[in-house]
Amino acid sequence: SQTIHQWPATLVQPVGSPLSLECTVEGTSNPNLYWYRQAAGRGLQLLFYSVGIGQISSEVPQNLSASRPQDRQFILSSKKLLLSDSGFYLCAWSGKERIEAFFGQGTRLTVV
Amino acid sequence: TQLLEQSPQFLSIQEGENLTVYCNSSSVFSSLQWYRQEPGEGPVLLVTVVTGGEVKKLKRLTFQFGDARKDSSLHITAAQPGDTGLYLCAGTSMEYGNKLVFGAGTILRVKS
Repeated sequence: SQTIHQWPATLVQPVGSPLSLECTVEGTSNPNLYWYRQAAGRGLQLLFYSVGIGQISSEVPQNLSASRPQDRQFILSSKKLLLSDSGFYLCAWSGKERIEAFFGQGTRLTVV
Repeated sequence: TQLLEQSPQFLSIQEGENLTVYCNSSSVFSSLQWYRQEPGEGPVLLVTVVTGGEVKKLKRLTFQFGDARKDSSLHITAAQPGDTGLYLCAGTSMEYGNKLVFGAGTILRVKS
């Protein structure tokens, strides 16, 4: 069966520090991968979308970047965090034929 | 602008009552999904609808996809406190490059 791992679960970082959130998927190959950000109790904003290794689509202008160095690894990064980067970040995967998303447990990022 | 509009944004009801949550768009979606999310966790897929007019039932939950595939509804019969959570609709549309986009969500609170 497929599983998705996302870490860390919580993170407190100072303004100006770098960020690296990692997400890996097991039990499937060539998945679509997503990074979403969620404001408290609200919907998910799509940040990045990848259909394959090295193929990243950025959905909104922002202080973040994403990379997909391996088929089942998706990384969310920033060189210098801003206060406005605080939020709940979710990684998800879907298949190619049936686009249903399966989510990781999320990372609560607080920039102080 | 939100590609998928959900209503109501917040719903507080007594145990045993029925409720309906709506998800609307001006675009045609190839599929629509409903997710339920609890605080601090990732959303969990409830159902996918792909055919216009399709109705699916999951115990006390009934999901419907509009004939024109532009809207969907979630009806809960005899709500229970365990139904409390954030309900999100999501979909894929050729108009948006078949990326999975989410509505803003409906926060449901069922009081005992």
